[in-house]
Formats: sequence, C-alpha cells, structure tokens
Amino acid sequence: DAGVIQSPRHEVTEMGQEVTLRCKPISGHNSLFWYRQTMMRGLELLIYFNNNVPIDDSGMPEDRFSAKMPNASFSTLKIQPSEPRDSAVYFCASSLASWEGEVTETQYFGPGTRLLVL
Amino acid sequence: AQSVSQHNHHVILSEAASLELGCNYSYGGTVNLFWYVQYPGQHLQLLLKYFSGDPLVKGIKGFEAEFIKSKFSFNLRKPSVQWSDTAEYFCAVNARGFQKLVFGTGTRLLVSP
Repeated sequence: DAGVIQSPRHEVTEMGQEVTLRCKPISGHNSLFWYRQTMMRGLELLIYFNNNVPIDDSGMPEDRFSAKMPNASFSTLKIQPSEPRDSAVYFCASSLASWEGEVTETQYFGPGTRLLVL
Repeated sequence: AQSVSQHNHHVILSEAASLELGCNYSYGGTVNLFWYVQYPGQHLQLLLKYFSGDPLVKGIKGFEAEFIKSKFSFNLRKPSVQWSDTAEYFCAVNARGFQKLVFGTGTRLLVSP
C-alpha cells in the first residue's frame, strides 16, 4: 500500500490567498484526521471524519478553515483567506475503526504539507 | 478530557547510552496508548502501541514501553541508542471507545556519535 498521500508537499502563498490541501487515505480505511503541527502548539487535531461524515471539528481554528470528504478516498482542507499565523505543517492520517465492542485502532500519518503564508 | 505530558523536551545522549522518555496522561477511564516517532523532515511513524494485555510492549527498532496504570504512565525505553534514533518522539492517548487522539508536546532526542 502507498500509505496516506498528501499534496502538495510544500506550499508557499501570500496572505489573503486561498490554500487547498489534499489527502488520500489508505485504501479501506474509514476514518480520516487532519492535524496541524507548529512549534508553539505541537500537534493539534483539527477535524476528523468517519465514513466521510465530519464527527468532530472542534479543533478547527476559525471559519477561515473548512474541510470536506466527498468520498472515501479523498479529503480537502481549505484555508480562505490564509494568514501568516496559518504557517505550519498539516498532516492527514487515516485509520480503520471498528465499532464492534471497543474502539482500538492505529492512525497512519501522511508525509504532511508544509505551508508558509507570507 | 484527556491530556498528555512529556516532561523532557530535549534529551541529548551519546551512542550506546540507555534511553527513557517519560509520558504521563490524565484520564480516569480506559485508554489506548501510543508512541510515534518523527525523524527529521519526515512524517510520524508508529513505534509501538498498547491496547490491552501485557503492559510491557515491544515495538520496532528495539524500543519498548511499559504501561503502569497506577502511575498513569507509559514511558518509552531503549537499552542502547544509536545515532539514527535522533528524532522527535510523541506520546499519544485516546480514551477507549473514542477516536480522538491527544498528543504530548514531544521530546527531541539528539544522539551524538
């Protein structure tokens, strides 16, 4: 398996521009997670989906951030308009969650998108 | 809500030294526990995990961790580190039955040759 695929790997943009980050989860996984990593705040969960449905978006910083998962093999995280404080590494992770009994699962991370907003 | 504390932010060791990285969590219920590693410029990779059973868990590359429920701890150990172990190590926990994974702030390990 190719693992979790993210694109682009690097993005440099100017303040005010729209940024779209893309993620392809591992085939067969039914849960997808978006994280942001910064020096100041470490790794933060932004949002996650189960079976393409957003479950918890409490980590999304503000209305400028939005995420979609139109199908089981694709998700986007959009920032509009972007600001310098959005500069970070954005990771996507996926897992195969089972709800038969207790949930025990491992999240597998993609290589990340390093975003720089000037 | 769960929280995870990694008290050592930076650790510097010489090759062949023994390693122990601390991880404590706060949550009263049953948890799943993970250690992830992030090599320079790379993504997070799973080192090991604990769901249930033997509290001493062995992972890849000679790492192991011990879950001590009474201490709410899941410390990572390796008897003899190598230069290639230079990386950032993250402890993470999720409450059993919930998917949200909470990460510690990470420990940067530098192993000098």
